[in-house]
Amino acid sequence: AQSVTQLGSHVSVSEGALVLLRCNYSSSVPPYLFWYVQYPNQGLQLLLKYTSAATLVKGINGFEAEFKKSETSFHLTKPSAHMSDAAEYFCAVIYSGGYQKVTFGTGTKLQVIP
Amino acid sequence: GAGVSQSPSNKVTEKGKDVELRCDPISGHTALYWYRQSLGQGLEFLIYFQGNSAPDKSGLPSDRFSAERTGGSVSTLTIQRTQQEDSAVYLCASSLRREGEQFFGPGTRLTVL
Repeated sequence: AQSVTQLGSHVSVSEGALVLLRCNYSSSVPPYLFWYVQYPNQGLQLLLKYTSAATLVKGINGFEAEFKKSETSFHLTKPSAHMSDAAEYFCAVIYSGGYQKVTFGTGTKLQVIP
Repeated sequence: GAGVSQSPSNKVTEKGKDVELRCDPISGHTALYWYRQSLGQGLEFLIYFQGNSAPDKSGLPSDRFSAERTGGSVSTLTIQRTQQEDSAVYLCASSLRREGEQFFGPGTRLTVL
């Protein structure tokens, strides 16, 4: 079955340190890929999306993600964490071809330590 | 409206009662999704609408759950004979097309006592 995996349900980084949140998908066909962020007590909002135009995608708030077909990955990064980045991050996938179904990862909670 | 709206924002009900949750998608968005987010859990897909039809109902957890969409716009998620395990935040999202970005509503927090 097609799936999306987020490694690490909780990630802690120091303020100013690199943020790396991992997402792997399972498909031989490049899918549509998204990262969403959910701040405490708020709804989800889109950080960035990959739609095959470019492998390195830049999003809001300094986040970016790189699509690596050879690794079936779409990891989210930010060079320097800020306290306001503390939130839960969800990777989402839509597989092209046949019936297209949206699948969300289980989420990664990011804690930023001052 | 400018975004996806959901009502009510909070609903407290007694076990065994029926509840209806409403979603108003962004005007013109043909795709509409319902998700459930339980404490400590990720997003659980419930149902997807394209227009008024639901090609994918695979996520509905039991036959107590049903949903409809009318006029290609407003959708209602109905839970009959609610159970305590139904307590969660129910999120609605809409998108302009199937592969597009989903815009999420603020959710309805359901508490079943």
